[in-house]
Amino acid sequence: DIVITQDELSNPVTSGESVSISCRSSKSLLYKDGKTYLNWFLQRPGQSPQLLIYLMSTRASGVSDRFSGSGSGTDFTLEISRVKAEDVGVYYCQQLVEYPFTFGSGTKLEIK
Amino acid sequence: QIQLVQSGPELKKPGETVKISCKASGYTFTNYGMNWVKQAPGKGLKWMGWINTNTGEPTYAEEFKGRFAFSLETSASTAYLQINNLKNEDTATYFCARNMIYYFDYWGQGTTLTVSS
Repeated sequence: DIVITQDELSNPVTSGESVSISCRSSKSLLYKDGKTYLNWFLQRPGQSPQLLIYLMSTRASGVSDRFSGSGSGTDFTLEISRVKAEDVGVYYCQQLVEYPFTFGSGTKLEIK
Repeated sequence: QIQLVQSGPELKKPGETVKISCKASGYTFTNYGMNWVKQAPGKGLKWMGWINTNTGEPTYAEEFKGRFAFSLETSASTAYLQINNLKNEDTATYFCARNMIYYFDYWGQGTTLTVSS
């Protein structure tokens, strides 16, 4: 199975600051069609996950442009600019390049 | 609007069977597959597999082969997750999530299952 690794954030973030969340894959998520099958979700406390970014860098419908995704075949970053209180929750990355569609362990974002 | 509405919380004993439903509305049910995702208490997300709502063919992650079964009632736009011979470690919240080609876009609200003697 593809292993997806996410680090914890070292400290809570101050509102208005920017934060980067990293995600690493044990195998390239670049498929032969040229697309990179890495998605980002936010799960707010007590809620279902919400899609933020798909195919590594495409923002989902209705998602704020404060969220952006980037990366290579195995290393990925979710950038959140001007962090707000509503951004609190756990951020998961997920690969869809092969079965099983594994998720990372999540990165918890807290606001000071 | 598109919605996935799941059945309510369940309390079961070890060895029993549970069937969780996920009713879709606002779109053509058979045009999109349905995924199932497990989240144990305080833990992360685990993909269980998906079902092709057009053919009824299920695909299971290795860990979920055997006691788990996905099924459909297409006339009711509903997908089901059945878990047989329940174990304590099945205690979790189970989500259904609609399958777009590249991502899961709409999610149910989750069904909490507690297995306890």
